[in-house]
Amino acid sequence: GENVEQHPSTLSVQEGDSAVIKCTYSDSASNYFPWYKQELGKRPQLIIDIRSNVGEKKDQRIAVTLNKTAKHFSLHITETQPEDSAVYFCAASGYSTLTFGKGTMLLVSP
Amino acid sequence: DGGITQSPKYLFRKEGQNVTLSCEQNLNHDAMYWYRQDPGQGLRLIYYSQIVNDFQKGDIAEGYSVSREKKESFPLTVTSAQKNPTAFYLCASIDTRDTEAFFGQGTRLTVV
Repeated sequence: GENVEQHPSTLSVQEGDSAVIKCTYSDSASNYFPWYKQELGKRPQLIIDIRSNVGEKKDQRIAVTLNKTAKHFSLHITETQPEDSAVYFCAASGYSTLTFGKGTMLLVSP
Repeated sequence: DGGITQSPKYLFRKEGQNVTLSCEQNLNHDAMYWYRQDPGQGLRLIYYSQIVNDFQKGDIAEGYSVSREKKESFPLTVTSAQKNPTAFYLCASIDTRDTEAFFGQGTRLTVV
C-alpha cells in the first residue's frame, strides 16, 4: 500500500517568515495530493491540493509543488501569521484510499 | 445544510464493552472512511467503503467493525478486542476519487 512520510514533525517560525513542509510517497500510481490544516480540537480542512499533471499550484500565501519523478511534494506558506499555527497533514490518493502523513505542528510566534 | 456528522462528541467505554460511533452524511457521497488519530501518529485508516454493502479493511482494522447498509451512514464499532481504543476518531466522506475529503467533527473515545 501507499506510504507517506512527512517532515518536519514540528516547525517553529517567527511571524512573517516562510514555512516549508515536505512529504514523500511510495506508490507511483498516486495522482492526487491534498494538504489539510487541523486546528486544535477541530476537524481537518482542505487548504490546497495538486494533481499529478501539475507541477505547482498557488493560492494567495500558500503554494504546493510536486515532483513526480522523485515522488515528493511540498507545502510553502509565505508571510506566516499567528493564525497559521496548526497541524498540517499531507496526503496521497492511490487506487481507492487516501493515506496521510503523520502531520507537522506549525507554531508561528508573534 | 449539507455536511457530515459524527456522534457522540465524547464517549467513555468500560473495559470489555463494545461501543458504536455514528457517522452520517447528507452530501450524497459514495465513499466513506474511518480514521484514528493519536498524538504524533497522524491519521491512520481503519475501514473504508466505496459503495453501499461493501467495505474494506484499512491499515489498523483489528478490533474494529463497520457496516454500510445505507449510503448516508457508516457506523464504526470498537469491540473489546481493541486493546488500546482511547483515541480521537474521524469519519470522512469523498464524492469521487481524487477530490476533497470532508471530515466530521470527530469522536473522542476514552476507556475508563
